Amino acid sequence: AQSVTQPDIHITVSEGASLELRCNYSYGATPYLFWYVQSPGQGLQLLLKYFSGDTLVQGIKGFEAEFKRSQSSFTLRKPSVHWSDAAEYFCAVGAGTSGTYKYIFGTGTRLKVLA
Amino acid sequence: DTGVSQNPRHKITKRGQNVTFRCDPISEHNRLYWYRQTLGQGPEFLTYFQNEAQLEKSRLLSDRFSAERPKGSFSTLEIQRTEQGDSAMYLCASSWDNNEQFFGPGTRLTVL
Repeated sequence: AQSVTQPDIHITVSEGASLELRCNYSYGATPYLFWYVQSPGQGLQLLLKYFSGDTLVQGIKGFEAEFKRSQSSFTLRKPSVHWSDAAEYFCAVGAGTSGTYKYIFGTGTRLKVLA
Repeated sequence: DTGVSQNPRHKITKRGQNVTFRCDPISEHNRLYWYRQTLGQGPEFLTYFQNEAQLEKSRLLSDRFSAERPKGSFSTLEIQRTEQGDSAMYLCASSWDNNEQFFGPGTRLTVL
């Protein structure tokens, strides 16, 4: 069965430090992968996506992600975290019997940023 | 393009009552999705529409739940005879075909 695992429930970093959020997926076909961010009381905002091609993808707000097929991983990174990055981050894989319409999400990683 | 909108943003109801939520997708998007998110969890897929056709329903969608998208534009999600276990954030998203989904702000349901 398809699944997404985000092993870190909480992460705390200091402002200006680098960030790495881990995501592992289980999916039989070529995955469509996404990272979304959710601030309190807000919906999900797409940070970046991987459909095919270059395994290093750039997103909004200075985020990037690296896809590693051999490790079934999709790791989100940011070189220097800002206090406004404090939020919950969700990794998702696009699944479905006849397409990628059904997103399967991980349980999320809550990021806290120390001043 | 004003994004996906959902109404109401919050709904408090008593157990046994019926509730209805509305979602207005991005206007040019042909697909519309409903997800449910409980505390500490990621969103879970409930159902989706391609234009006005409902193409898949999750097993999470019991027979107390019904969703419609009558003219292929806005959608409604109705929950009949609400139960405390229905308390959650209900998220709507839209997309053009298999492209990325854009999410609305959600409707938070509290069943007392």
